[in-house]
Amino acid sequence: GNSVTQMEGPVTLSEEAFLTINCTYTATGYPSLFWYVQYPGEGLQLLLKATKADDKGSNKGFEATYRKETTSFHLEKGSVQVSDSAVYFCALSWGAQKLVFGQGTRLTINP
Amino acid sequence: NAGVTQTPKFQVLKTGQSMTLQCAQDMNHEYMSWYRQDPGMGLRLIHYSVGAGITDQGEVPNGYNVSRSTTEDFPLRLLSAAPSQTSVYFCASSYSTWGRNTGELFFGEGSRLTVL
Repeated sequence: GNSVTQMEGPVTLSEEAFLTINCTYTATGYPSLFWYVQYPGEGLQLLLKATKADDKGSNKGFEATYRKETTSFHLEKGSVQVSDSAVYFCALSWGAQKLVFGQGTRLTINP
Repeated sequence: NAGVTQTPKFQVLKTGQSMTLQCAQDMNHEYMSWYRQDPGMGLRLIHYSVGAGITDQGEVPNGYNVSRSTTEDFPLRLLSAAPSQTSVYFCASSYSTWGRNTGELFFGEGSRLTVL
């Protein structure tokens, strides 16, 4: 079935460091791919998305490129801030009415 | 701008008790869903609805009931609570385009349920 696998956390970085959170997926057909972020005590919110191969989603300095050949959608940011500390979820959606989430990666940024 | 509103935010139940988690959205979204979030397991879909009067099961539906009598409301009922249902529950809604969920979910703040 369709599934998403994220790199295991937690991830701890210093402010201004480069961030990569890996995400790979298994799916039939052509899913849409998403990154959601959950700040402490809140619900998830959409960070960025890509709907077809080679699309790049971007928002708030974060980027991810839909790579069909490697079935990946890695999240990157060039210089992280303390305010980026959160849990990040990779997700995919396909033809039907369902969204499948990865297990989440907790990110902590130290000043 | 209320968005998606869930109540209650916290609840403690005893095994065997029943309760309803309420969810309301004011964005006129056709699609609504319930997820549970457990440590190390991400979010798992319990039930979803593509419009008033239409519901369907997700990945983990056992022990839960839903109904959708209006576009705005999508309550989740626990029929006989069990300790395995201790979790954080999220309601989420989305626009639909040509009957398809866009995948861009708007989440409530969550309801933390403990079953003793």
